[in-house]
Formats: sequence, C-alpha cells, structure tokens
Amino acid sequence: GAVVSQHPSWVICKSGTSVKIECRSLDFQATTMFWYRQFPKQSLMLMATSNEGSKATYEQGVEKDKFLINHASLTLSTLTVTSAHPEDSSFYICSARGGGPQFFGPGTRLTVL
Amino acid sequence: GQQLNQSPQSMFIQEGEDVSMNCTSSSIFNTWLWYKQDPGEGPVLLIALYKAGELTSNGRLTAQFGITRKDSFLNISASIPSDVGIYFCAGQLGGNKLVFGAGTILRVKS
Repeated sequence: GAVVSQHPSWVICKSGTSVKIECRSLDFQATTMFWYRQFPKQSLMLMATSNEGSKATYEQGVEKDKFLINHASLTLSTLTVTSAHPEDSSFYICSARGGGPQFFGPGTRLTVL
Repeated sequence: GQQLNQSPQSMFIQEGEDVSMNCTSSSIFNTWLWYKQDPGEGPVLLIALYKAGELTSNGRLTAQFGITRKDSFLNISASIPSDVGIYFCAGQLGGNKLVFGAGTILRVKS
C-alpha cells in the first residue's frame, strides 16, 4: 500500500524557535499534500492543502505566515512552524494523495516549552 | 459548512462481538472513506467507497456507501483486542478536501 513518512516523529523546542516537519510519499507521487492538526481526543483539523509547485491553500483561521508550507516536489512537503509558542503544541499529521484516497503519515508530536 | 455525524461516540464490547458504526451527513459525498487511528499514530485507511450502494469488505471489515450518498456504515465482525482504536469516517465531494466525523472510540474486553 501507499506509504507516507513524517520526520521528526516528535520534537521539543523552546518558545520563539522555528520547527520544520517533513512529509514524504515513499512509493507514489503525491500531486496534493495536506497538513492537519489534531488535539487530544478530537478529530483531524485541516490546516492547508498544497499542490506541487504552487502556493498552499490555507483553511480559514490558519495563519499562513506562522505555518509555512512548501511542496517543492511530488514526494516532499514541509511544514515550518515559525516562532513557535506553547499554544502551537499539538499533533501534526500530513497526508498525501496521488489521484486515489488520502494516505496519512504517522504524525509529529510538537511540544513547545 | 459540511458536517458529518458519526455514531456511536464510543463502544466497549466483548471480544468476539460484532461492531457497527455509521456516519450521516446533510450533504452528499462522492467518496466515503474509513480510517483507523491508534494512539500516537496517523490514521490508516481501512476501506474506500466510490459508488452509491457499494458494499466493500476488507477481511473482517465491511463498509457500505449509502444509496442516498449521505451516509455510510462500517461493520467489524468477531472483534479482537487489536481492533481497539479510534475509527473515523470521512467524506469527499469532488475536490481534494475530506470532511471527517468526530470518531468512534472502540474498546474491546478480552
């Protein structure tokens, strides 16, 4: 089946620093990648959709200057949380789609101290 | 906006029992997907449904795309301890975005 990886699986950082999370589709080309955020015991909340080579489309209420998304190739998308604060602590999950259903990565647990 | 109502919210069943959960929507979808999420992991695709009325199985799992295109159910037969997790339904209409249900937490007593 389709495999999506994320790196790192967890990260702890100090308030004010920036953190980059990578999402890769390992065995297929992802024309579209998605970034979600999930709070404990809640469903997934879509943050943004990105197509290879073009700017990401952000959902309402998601600050594009804070959550920078780059989808430079058909197998790689990155999410950078800039100037992270404790309220940005969350579980971030990416997914990738290559024409079929979305396949999800294993998630990245971000903790901002 | 589009919303999915997923029920039940949680289930605590005996090992070996069958499980049924469903999602309903006020809007129609062209695709229904069912995912399972284990703690600290990303969702894993279980079944994808693309046609109204479609009934699809994946091992002990069976899911159906409702004929009205506004609902879907997932059944798990003869549950085992590793079925424990959160099950999410998701609907997709045309474009890329998925609309997720709130999830069904499944616990299994062995």
